[in-house]
Amino acid sequence: DQQVKQNSPSLSVQEGRISILNCDYTNSMFDYFLWYKKYPAEGPTFLISISSIKDKNEDGRFTVFLNKSAKHLSLHIVPSQPGDSAVYFCAASANNAGNMLTFGGGTRLMVKP
Amino acid sequence: NAGVTQTPKFQVLKTGQSMTLQCAQDMNHNSMYWYRQDPGMGLRLIYYSASEGTTDKGEVPNGYNVSRLNKREFSLRLESAAPSQTSVYFCASSLDGTPRIGYTFGSGTRLTVV
Repeated sequence: DQQVKQNSPSLSVQEGRISILNCDYTNSMFDYFLWYKKYPAEGPTFLISISSIKDKNEDGRFTVFLNKSAKHLSLHIVPSQPGDSAVYFCAASANNAGNMLTFGGGTRLMVKP
Repeated sequence: NAGVTQTPKFQVLKTGQSMTLQCAQDMNHNSMYWYRQDPGMGLRLIYYSASEGTTDKGEVPNGYNVSRLNKREFSLRLESAAPSQTSVYFCASSLDGTPRIGYTFGSGTRLTVV
């Protein structure tokens, strides 16, 4: 059973608008969360992260929100750009599990010009 | 600025054949990982090496073996390939095994077993 789920396989957004990618998790021991971005034929690249002691982390156009009670996190991209079109993976780790990353299934974001 | 280098980029195997996927990093990282990516499943950890000389099983280790040859190199071996091992394989490394600064991934090996 997947401990990290991204329920939307794809998302289409107009350039300049906000993109919101969602991620749910089931393991209450997860204490660190990351988002990775992946272009075709490339490996995933680290985008942004958040510790469980915070509820928001911002880096330029990218903001990650964490709702621990709902076991839910989201990535907001504002404004969205065509170059943001990629697959986005949510990942989580637990300090008591060797900090191994557990990934969600990914969401393909398409930003239309 | 090579980062994590994987070879080969593409491979087609017949069922029962064996092969080794190579991975090398030049960032002086201590920890290295092998993941496989399947549609809708995200990336699943096959094996990892927290430091030179150690290896441990991940979520999906069956059918695979690994070797941490030295600090730079971490190889993944399929002894008898099966169609279920058709996947994209990613090697990754990190400085000290904590995810706080993220992993650095290679560009992947696309393996097809027929």
